Amino acid sequence: QSALTQPPSASGSPGQSVTISCTGTSSDIGGYNSVCWYQHHPGKAPKLIMLEVSRRPSGVPDRFSGSKSGNTASLTVSGLQAEDEAEYYCSSYGGSNNVIFGGGTKLTVL
Amino acid sequence: QVHLMQSGAEVKKPGASVKVSCKTSGYTFTTYALHWVRQAPGQRPEWMGWILPNNGNTKYSQNFQGRVTITRDTSATTAYMELSRLRSEDTAIYYCARSWFGDFSFDYWGQGTLVTVSS
Repeated sequence: QSALTQPPSASGSPGQSVTISCTGTSSDIGGYNSVCWYQHHPGKAPKLIMLEVSRRPSGVPDRFSGSKSGNTASLTVSGLQAEDEAEYYCSSYGGSNNVIFGGGTKLTVL
Repeated sequence: QVHLMQSGAEVKKPGASVKVSCKTSGYTFTTYALHWVRQAPGQRPEWMGWILPNNGNTKYSQNFQGRVTITRDTSATTAYMELSRLRSEDTAIYYCARSWFGDFSFDYWGQGTLVTVSS
């Protein structure tokens, strides 16, 4: 299975918007609407912030939005806040009862 | 509220086995799948396998086939992950995570268990 590709870092000032990409193939992201995004603060449990490409779990602010085009999924964080600074991981169903992850993007709020 | 509490850090020698527990609370144990995901230092998360607590059925990643065993104790609402024939590359944080049956979106995670493999 191939892995998902994310940029290692992203940044923005408070109030700005930032978009993080996650690129896969037609065998994973392009083949299923099963993309998730997780927010991970060091030392804490990862938190699901997006599922099924663009569905926010209860309690996740609408500043977070997701989309997909072809083999690339994207997470947009609008109105950046200091607490958004974290590592963000994408995942996708990869077929054959398996899931694959991206390498993570460190989001810095300047 | 839903809570997944994992056992504490472990240090093991190469060739040994490790067993990590994941005690759940706040929901009906048999109605969600439990997965194990690990993350080695500087590496991407890696899915290891899942168990369906209602019947004990399991599915393992090919990358760990033959070395990983996931079990559960329904009376204790606890899942376990045992990894055998440890090598240094198995040094990682191991997480349990919950999902709906047949789904791979993990809505709750444990706090993680650091397993260090060193001679």
